[in-house]
Amino acid sequence: AQRVTQPEKLLSVFKGAPVELKCNYSYSGSPELFWYVQYSRQRLQLLLRHISRESIKGFTADLNKGETSFHLKKPFAQEEDSAMYYCALSGPSGGYQKVTFGTGTKLQVIP
Amino acid sequence: EAGVTQFPSHSVIEKGQTVTLRCDPISGHDNLYWYRRVMGKEIKFLLHFVKESKQDESGMPNNRFLAERTGGTYSTLKVQPAELEDSGVYFCASSQSGGLAGISSYNEQFFGPGTRLTVL
Repeated sequence: AQRVTQPEKLLSVFKGAPVELKCNYSYSGSPELFWYVQYSRQRLQLLLRHISRESIKGFTADLNKGETSFHLKKPFAQEEDSAMYYCALSGPSGGYQKVTFGTGTKLQVIP
Repeated sequence: EAGVTQFPSHSVIEKGQTVTLRCDPISGHDNLYWYRRVMGKEIKFLLHFVKESKQDESGMPNNRFLAERTGGTYSTLKVQPAELEDSGVYFCASSQSGGLAGISSYNEQFFGPGTRLTVL
């Protein structure tokens, strides 16, 4: 069965400190991995996907197939990064449009 | 440009009552999805429409839940009768279809604001 694990419910960091939001997954095959973000009073939105290999708002995430991880990183946290972050995956066995989410990590950036 | 809209934003009902949630996708999006987040747990997939057809309803919890998308435009999700464990936030999302991309890879899903359902 496909599963996404985000071990931290809350991550608090000081402004300017590095951020790493952890995500591990289990999947038989080659999934697509994503990070979604929900800012306060806003909608859930796609932040980045592993196949794009982009840096969005200073965030990057590298897919490590050996460790089945897709951790989200940013070298210097900003106050506006405070939000709820969800790691997610989809893939051929479940259908690419069926997204499996983790439980989310709340990032709190302290001024 | 309007995004995905959902109605109502909040609903409080008593156990045993019926509630109908509505979702209007982004115009031109053939794909429509329902998800649910129960407090403290992950956002879970419920089902996927392609136009008016149910493509995948593997996430529907039981037969108290009925989703429809008549005419392939807006969708409704009815819960009848509601139980306490149905409380949560129900999200709708929509996406475009597109050739091979619709089959072999993920098309970005755009989410609505959600409907918070409380069953007392």
